[in-house]
Amino acid sequence: GAVVSQHPSWVICKSGTSVKIECRSLDFQATTMFWYRQFPKQSLMLMATSNEGSKATYEQGVEKDKFLINHASLTLSTLTVTSAHPEDSSFYICSAGTSYYNEQFFGPGTRLTVL
Amino acid sequence: AQKITQTQPGMFVQEKEAVTLDCTYDTSDQSYGLFWYKQPSSGEMIFLIYQGSYDEQNATEGRYSLNFQKARKSANLVISASQLGDSAMYFCAMREGRRGSTLGRLYFGRGTQLTVWP
Repeated sequence: GAVVSQHPSWVICKSGTSVKIECRSLDFQATTMFWYRQFPKQSLMLMATSNEGSKATYEQGVEKDKFLINHASLTLSTLTVTSAHPEDSSFYICSAGTSYYNEQFFGPGTRLTVL
Repeated sequence: AQKITQTQPGMFVQEKEAVTLDCTYDTSDQSYGLFWYKQPSSGEMIFLIYQGSYDEQNATEGRYSLNFQKARKSANLVISASQLGDSAMYFCAMREGRRGSTLGRLYFGRGTQLTVWP
């Protein structure tokens, strides 16, 4: 299978700061990347779908100005949590899709804690 | 309506026994894909098995098999010969869309926490 990396794996920041999370497909070109948020013991909640070179499509209820997504290349998508607050603390996971495989490949996730 | 329903919040199984994790889905599409992912406590999502809506045979991958009953819209995961390392959260997911497309979003169930005891 293909490999997706995420960086950082965990981050602690002060309230009001911005945090950038990178998602990279290491050995394939990802036409589409997805960003999820997961609270403890809950399912994954899709935040947005990101296509290379175009604006991300956000799910209903997700603030576009709060969660900035950029898909600059076929191997890199970034999620920036702007002016983070404690309620933004969560586990953020990205996944990538390619036409070569049926399944999406997930990154290892980023645990964000906002103090 | 929920697209994916997993009715078992938790399941327990003894090592070396088989266990079935339930999943039902709801879609009006003729073409769709069904997936199972495993999420250990580390948080990574590990792909286990895939079943396409047009596949006539049930999918199998090692100790994992998918019991696909199209008319009942169910896609249960069967784990044979459970191991202690199988203890994790298991998510059923579905992607709707044209055949072969990997670009559609996944709909996830709430998950089933499986505990394997010695």
